[in-house]
Amino acid sequence: AQSVSQHNHHVILSEAASLELGCNYSYGGTVNLFWYVQYPGQHLQLLLKYFSGDPLVKGIKGFEAEFIKSKFSFNLRKPSVQWSDTAEYFCAVKHNNAGNMLTFGGGTRLMVKP
Amino acid sequence: DAGVIQSPRHEVTEMGQEVTLRCKPISGHNSLFWYRQTMMRGLELLIYFNNNVPIDDSGMPEDRFSAKMPNASFSTLKIQPSEPRDSAVYFCASSPTAGTPGGPSEQYFGPGTRLTVT
Repeated sequence: AQSVSQHNHHVILSEAASLELGCNYSYGGTVNLFWYVQYPGQHLQLLLKYFSGDPLVKGIKGFEAEFIKSKFSFNLRKPSVQWSDTAEYFCAVKHNNAGNMLTFGGGTRLMVKP
Repeated sequence: DAGVIQSPRHEVTEMGQEVTLRCKPISGHNSLFWYRQTMMRGLELLIYFNNNVPIDDSGMPEDRFSAKMPNASFSTLKIQPSEPRDSAVYFCASSPTAGTPGGPSEQYFGPGTRLTVT
């Protein structure tokens, strides 16, 4: 079965620090990849997505992610975080045989200290 | 577009009572998903409908849980009888059907229902 691993469960950074959150998936075929963000007390919102083409994907709020097929990875990055980026971040994967189902990682809680 | 609509936003009930959560997907979306989120278990997919038909209900925890989608614009998740361990935030999400198999289809989440069973 498809699985998604987010190895960092909790990350604490100071404002202006750089961010990289890891995401690895297990399926070897064609995949669609997503990062969602959940701000405190809110629902999940899409940050960015990869379907095909340029493996470096730009999202909202200065986030980007890079799809590295050989490493089965889709890490999320931001060069300089802000206090307002405090949230939980979820990586999700959809593979061709899954219909519209997404497999979510366990999430990474990011706290940005002002 | 109003997005995915869920009601109620908060529900507090006593153990043993029946709870019904409601979801209205985005108009035109053909897939609907129910998730449960807890601190201990994270985000879990409970059930997934495509064109009103349940496709995968392997995530439904037990027979106390049931879900229906009588039409394209409405779904319910029912817990009967409810137990304290059912306390969680329940999210509904919808997704447009891909035009071709494996095509892109992100999910749009509703605001969630925070359920507390005492």
